[in-house]
Amino acid sequence: AQSVAQPEDQVNVAEGNPLTVKCTYSVSGNPYLFWYVQYPNRGLQFLLKYITGDNLVKGSYGFEAEFNKSQTSFHLKKPSALVSDSALYFCAVRDGNTGNQFYFGTGTSLTVIP
Amino acid sequence: KAGVTQTPRYLIKTRGQQVTLSCSPISGHRSVSWYQQTPGQGLQFLFEYFSETQRNKGNFPGRFSGRQFSNSRSEMNVSTLELGDSALYLCASSLWGDVNVANYGYTFGSGTRLTVV
Repeated sequence: AQSVAQPEDQVNVAEGNPLTVKCTYSVSGNPYLFWYVQYPNRGLQFLLKYITGDNLVKGSYGFEAEFNKSQTSFHLKKPSALVSDSALYFCAVRDGNTGNQFYFGTGTSLTVIP
Repeated sequence: KAGVTQTPRYLIKTRGQQVTLSCSPISGHRSVSWYQQTPGQGLQFLFEYFSETQRNKGNFPGRFSGRQFSNSRSEMNVSTLELGDSALYLCASSLWGDVNVANYGYTFGSGTRLTVV
């Protein structure tokens, strides 16, 4: 069965420090992986995706993510956190073979401390 | 181009009533999916429509239903509202139609905040 796990409900990081938001997935076919960010009372905004090719994917607002097939992970990273990065982050997977619904993680609340 | 539009943005209903939420996808997107978001349960998949047909359905009771029109606009309906239905309901559209475009992600609307009292 397809699933996504975000093991941390909450991540706190000091402004200027690197941040990592973790995501692992389980999918039977080829994984298509996505990161979304949600600000209060808003919908989810697309950050980046991995479909194929280079394992390091660069996205919006300086975020990047690394696809690791052996560890079935797709962790979100940023070299230097900003206070404005504080939000709720969701990882999602879609099975590239069947192409059906998205499976979302439970979300990780990121707080960047000034 | 215009994004995904959800109306209304906020709604307050009484237990036992019914409600209809609307979603207009991005022009050209034929797939529309609905999610319920609550603090305790996260994002829960409700259903997905493509070309006026429901293709996938999540584990929600029959009180939750939806439909899609020929212009790809979608509505979801919740009958006999319960307090636990209070949530942010998100609509997402996608170019998804077959495996060849499976690499497209969702574009989400801002959601409808439903409060049941």
